[in-house]
Amino acid sequence: TQLLEQSPQFLSIQEGENLTVYCNSSSVFSSLQWYRQEPGEGPVLLVTVVTGGEVKKLKRLTFQFGDARKDSSLHITAAQTGDTGLYLCAGASYGQNFVFGPGTRLSVLP
Amino acid sequence: GEEVAQTPKHLVRGEGQKAKLYCAPIKGHSYVFWYQQVLKNEFKFLISFQNENVFDETGMPKERFSAKCLPNSPCSLEIQATKLEDSAVYFCASSQSGREWVKNIQYFGAGTRLSVL
Repeated sequence: TQLLEQSPQFLSIQEGENLTVYCNSSSVFSSLQWYRQEPGEGPVLLVTVVTGGEVKKLKRLTFQFGDARKDSSLHITAAQTGDTGLYLCAGASYGQNFVFGPGTRLSVLP
Repeated sequence: GEEVAQTPKHLVRGEGQKAKLYCAPIKGHSYVFWYQQVLKNEFKFLISFQNENVFDETGMPKERFSAKCLPNSPCSLEIQATKLEDSAVYFCASSQSGREWVKNIQYFGAGTRLSVL
């Protein structure tokens, strides 16, 4: 069974600070996706990474896929209150379904 | 449609009653996934469909849970004889087809909150 772990589980920071959240597994994934979920809504896809070592940037968000395709990180620069939410990583492999991590709940305080 | 539509938004059932949830995937998407989210965090995969065929049902509880995706109808997830622990938000997602489907985006609906009293 493929499992994903995320750390930290909770994170509370001041606006303007930088942060990194992690997604780790002992399994290899064909792709890994990051989502943000806000209260009362479904998750919204932020990025998909598919190549080991891949780095993708989305404005102030930087995503990295580990060389071995077992882990990933999300770095946010100069966090804003609008970044508050639950960040979920999900891994997928051919022939198997998406597996979600337990999430990191981020609070950015003004 | 342009978004995944889930109905109802909120469903309240007494323990032992039946609950039926619906999901209309985005038009043209071949894959449908059902997830259960408890305690506002953990997503548990339940079942997936490729068109009307079950693709993977390894996450479905053996008893009481069933799901269908029939042509020209919304997909459905049905829980017979609900229990307190079934209280959760149930999300549906759809995805395009393609050989490399794992790279495809899953679009999520807003979820159905099931409260079993």
